Amino acid sequence: LAKTTQPISMDSYEGQEVNITCSHNNIATNDYITWYQQFPSQGPRFIIQGYKTKVTNEVASLFIPADRKSSTLSLPRVSLSDTAVYYCLVGENTGFQKLVFGTGTRLLVSP
Amino acid sequence: GAVVSQHPSRVICKSGTSVKIECRSLDFQATTMFWYRQFPKQSLMLMATSNEGSKATYEQGVEKDKFLINHASLTLSTLTVTSAHPEDSSFYICSARPSGEGNTGELFFGEGSRLTVL
Repeated sequence: LAKTTQPISMDSYEGQEVNITCSHNNIATNDYITWYQQFPSQGPRFIIQGYKTKVTNEVASLFIPADRKSSTLSLPRVSLSDTAVYYCLVGENTGFQKLVFGTGTRLLVSP
Repeated sequence: GAVVSQHPSRVICKSGTSVKIECRSLDFQATTMFWYRQFPKQSLMLMATSNEGSKATYEQGVEKDKFLINHASLTLSTLTVTSAHPEDSSFYICSARPSGEGNTGELFFGEGSRLTVL
């Protein structure tokens, strides 16, 4: 399983764009990159998933360079409710493929 | 989206007793479920992979005799913490992906179960 490295914490203000980068130098050909959000005392929640280039949904964008050794989660115009821990995970999409969590990035959004 | 439910959400027990936590996939079938443990201010740690109809696969350092996992059906996995001690107090989270064509790669997580051992 590819190991991921993220900044431990980030600070931002309401309305700003936040970009969280994740390094995964040992990503395998069949691996996808998935980001999850976790609030205290809750299970993680899926944000976005991608394999290459750029993926966008209603809450975030995911940028993946050609070498796929890193990825960047972009949160446009964050609000206080975006304060959470964000995890980058790398692995196959098969039903039995386990996912190992890294340290995650603790994002604090201030007024 | 798909829903994974855990029960109980909170449990307090005395040291030496056993506690069972249930994980159900409410609207999909899952041949594989995963159990994680999370201590305060730390990341999720994978404990084991629960396989329907067969033995669970435990991660290194996780005692299989202490953390009993049963995956008796395609929608239910249970984690039993046997002879619980205060150091077993933690937040336990299960997760699953739909089997077969319903699998989009997204891993769905339960709400978590907070165990406190006195």
